[in-house]
Amino acid sequence: QQQVKQSPQSLIVQKGGISIINCAYENTAFDYFPWYQQFPGKGPALLIAIRPDVSEKKEGRFTISFNKSAKQFSLHIMDSQPGDSATYFCAASMNSGTYKYIFGTGTRLKVLA
Amino acid sequence: ETGVTQTPRHLVMGMTNKKSLKCEQHLGHNAMYWYKQSAKKPLELMFVYNFKEQTENNSVPSRFSPECPNSSHLFLHLHTLQPEDSALYLCASSNAGTGINEQYFGPGTRLTVT
Repeated sequence: QQQVKQSPQSLIVQKGGISIINCAYENTAFDYFPWYQQFPGKGPALLIAIRPDVSEKKEGRFTISFNKSAKQFSLHIMDSQPGDSATYFCAASMNSGTYKYIFGTGTRLKVLA
Repeated sequence: ETGVTQTPRHLVMGMTNKKSLKCEQHLGHNAMYWYKQSAKKPLELMFVYNFKEQTENNSVPSRFSPECPNSSHLFLHLHTLQPEDSALYLCASSNAGTGINEQYFGPGTRLTVT
């Protein structure tokens, strides 16, 4: 119930292509779904986040699509660039005071020049 | 200094050593977290502190001992570790109880236990 399942584990995309990473959850009490980007040697950095009252959120080339009934959400990176090559983590949390995050296992994205 | 800082960035220690990891947040947050990041596993939440009080301990072995003297500083004291404790240890902070869920992470301490 507390797991967040993330796929694929790794992804290779050509420059200019669309990168899509998917996550699924079970606990309907989750009410906040962030995506983090992590470069080697760095900590995860918040990329974009969504709440379940909207089905899509877009920030620049990054879009989150949210399907509440299917309990799934995904990250789309449009016009992928070599600089986007990183590990991406989805997470879910609920309003429990300290907002404990449950993270997915991560997707290693490589964008070929 | 801005954001969340962690020291040291790299640490190699023997199984009988005692060492400490330090985290400091410059964001005015009231909650701080320790996570363990191992290869091919989800980030594992270890401890949560809210206004200096520990609110979560995720069944972490007693060889890891956290300390939070104030809302800006968090320590992780290490003793008699095992090789499987080698990992990246990440600190994060957030504003708990405000409806703003974002957690901000430090760069981590890469720990190797020999």
